[in-house]
Amino acid sequence: DQQVKQNSPSLSVQEGRISILNCDYTNSMFDYFLWYKKYPAEGPTFLISISSIKDKNEDGRFTVFLNKSAKHLSLHIVPSQPGDSAVYFCAARLTETSGSRLTFGEGTQLTVNP
Amino acid sequence: GAVVSQHPSRVICKSGTSVKIECRSLDFQATTMFWYRQFPKQSLMLMATSNEGSKATYEQGVEKDKFLINHASLTLSTLTVTSAHPEDSSFYICSARGPPGQGWGAFFGQGTRLTVV
Repeated sequence: DQQVKQNSPSLSVQEGRISILNCDYTNSMFDYFLWYKKYPAEGPTFLISISSIKDKNEDGRFTVFLNKSAKHLSLHIVPSQPGDSAVYFCAARLTETSGSRLTFGEGTQLTVNP
Repeated sequence: GAVVSQHPSRVICKSGTSVKIECRSLDFQATTMFWYRQFPKQSLMLMATSNEGSKATYEQGVEKDKFLINHASLTLSTLTVTSAHPEDSSFYICSARGPPGQGWGAFFGQGTRLTVV
């Protein structure tokens, strides 16, 4: 049962344009959502997060939007840069009482073309 | 941000032998660490949650006798793959829950590529 899904395995955008990465979830008990960037043969690097009580969080070029009613979140990167090319994972955390485990989506390979 | 170091980054072992992977939190104390496994082009699958001073909690379908986890100190957790087989070949990643004040973003090690021949 895949509780966190990233339906697009890949996304290609031009440098300078906006990249929008999407993520859907099914478990309403998730209370915190995170986005990670991962290069091959490396561990994920934390990018940005959002609490379930918010609908938007912005950090520089990265903005995460959360739509709780739709159980959907998205990561916007603008402007996109070639160095942003990587696999992006969204992750969701169950409540504290569940040990703060993370459930990951399958990842989306982002390619930013110069 | 907090740093998690994982060692080794790459290991090749013979079938039937055991391999130990270390995960260290370098500049903070981690009472909870997580071990993940990633197959090619797939998501990170949580294997177990490691709590300092107590037994690890394993996810359904993960053999605790095969994947031994020890979290003997606040800065070190180890995963030992016992009697490794080729199907155990994978990318193993640990993470540690970040220290207070640094948000709640689990910090990951660099990962270990295990190849069993």
